[in-house]
Amino acid sequence: QLRLQESGPGLVKPSETLSLSCTVSGGSISDSSFHWGWIRQTPGKGLEWIGTIYYSGNTYYKLSLKSRVTMSVDTSKNQFSLNLNSVTAADTAVYYCVRDRTGSGRLPLNWFDTWGQGTLVTVSS
Amino acid sequence: DIQMTQSPSSLSASVGDRITITCRASQSIDRYLNWYQHKPGKAPKLLIYATSSFQSGLPSRFSGSGSGTDFTLTISSLQPEDFATYYCQQSYISPPTFGQGTKLEI
Repeated sequence: QLRLQESGPGLVKPSETLSLSCTVSGGSISDSSFHWGWIRQTPGKGLEWIGTIYYSGNTYYKLSLKSRVTMSVDTSKNQFSLNLNSVTAADTAVYYCVRDRTGSGRLPLNWFDTWGQGTLVTVSS
Repeated sequence: DIQMTQSPSSLSASVGDRITITCRASQSIDRYLNWYQHKPGKAPKLLIYATSSFQSGLPSRFSGSGSGTDFTLTISSLQPEDFATYYCQQSYISPPTFGQGTKLEI
């Protein structure tokens, strides 16, 4: 059974970079049938899609976050990662890693059939 | 971005009740509408994709319908394990966006 597990610091200082990893177990991150992504949840904005990555390295980011987001894949570790720089208190959220399906043209379908349990990241000095 | 609006925001019901949650999109999304269930401390769970297609293992008491801008999730006979927060999400146009959630309480 596929399992996703987020890991990373729970506290990040303002203006610094938030870095999270997601370890995939029970499946291969290189499976062409799937994309991999990040979604966050805040009390104020609810669930917000951040971005999606394919094993090949192709990325799709939310436009409003694009200037601050970098996602990457490490197929040797079966992991993918999120970096969000120049964070502020508004980036305080529970961050989920997710699996997305691949559709025609090797594009993500943008529905998420497996989620990690989530990790709370607080931005504070 | 497409705005997704759910109603009601919260709902009190009893075991055995039939309930319906509504989701409205700010523009037509064809049938690219998905539903998730989220219980505290657990990973959110995909229930239904493409309006009415069941994720594997979903009990038949759940159903989804709609098209265009108006969609519903119905639970025909509530079971104790169904009390959770439900979210709709459109996958028609990027960025994918979610409703604000409907908290289903006993």
